[in-house]
Amino acid sequence: AQSVSQHNHHVILSEAASLELGCNYSYGGTVNLFWYVQYPGQHLQLLLKYFSGDPLVKGIKGFEAEFIKSKFSFNLRKPSVQWSDTAEYFCAVKSYNNNDMRFGAGTRLTVKP
Amino acid sequence: NAGVMQNPRHLVRRRGQEARLRCSPMKGHSHVYWYRQLPEEGLKFMVYLQKENIIDESGMPKERFSAEFPKEGPSILRIQQVVRGDSAAYFCASSDSQSSYEQYFGPGTRLTVT
Repeated sequence: AQSVSQHNHHVILSEAASLELGCNYSYGGTVNLFWYVQYPGQHLQLLLKYFSGDPLVKGIKGFEAEFIKSKFSFNLRKPSVQWSDTAEYFCAVKSYNNNDMRFGAGTRLTVKP
Repeated sequence: NAGVMQNPRHLVRRRGQEARLRCSPMKGHSHVYWYRQLPEEGLKFMVYLQKENIIDESGMPKERFSAEFPKEGPSILRIQQVVRGDSAAYFCASSDSQSSYEQYFGPGTRLTVT
């Protein structure tokens, strides 16, 4: 069965620091990959997605993620975080062949001003 | 353009009561997904419905849980005889029929069973 692992439960950074959140999945077939963000008190919003093509995906608010097929990874990055990036970030994987989207446990990011 | 709506946002039920959670998909969306988020865990897929049909309920507990998406009105997730372990946030997402890979989420319903 497919699963998604997010390595860090809570990350604390100062403003302007660089961010990388890890995401690994286990599934051998074709997958679609997503990062969602949940700001405090708000619902999940799509940050970026990968379906095919260029493995380096640009998302909103300066975020990007790189799909490395050989490592089954889809890590999220941002060169310089802001206080407003404080939120919970979820990696998600959807098999091309079924409706089951699997989410990681989430990483809580706290950015100190 | 209204997004996915869920109500109520917070629901408190005593053990043994029934909980009914509602989800109105985005306008033009005919596919609805329900997820459950337990404390300190990620979202777990429960069920996928299209209008009047359950497509995939592989994530639904076998007992006490049911879901429907009638021709008219919102999708309903129903939990009978709730227990404390049902306390969680329940999220609904919707997608349109042309690009079902992208799901739009509602704000969730937080169920507390006392």
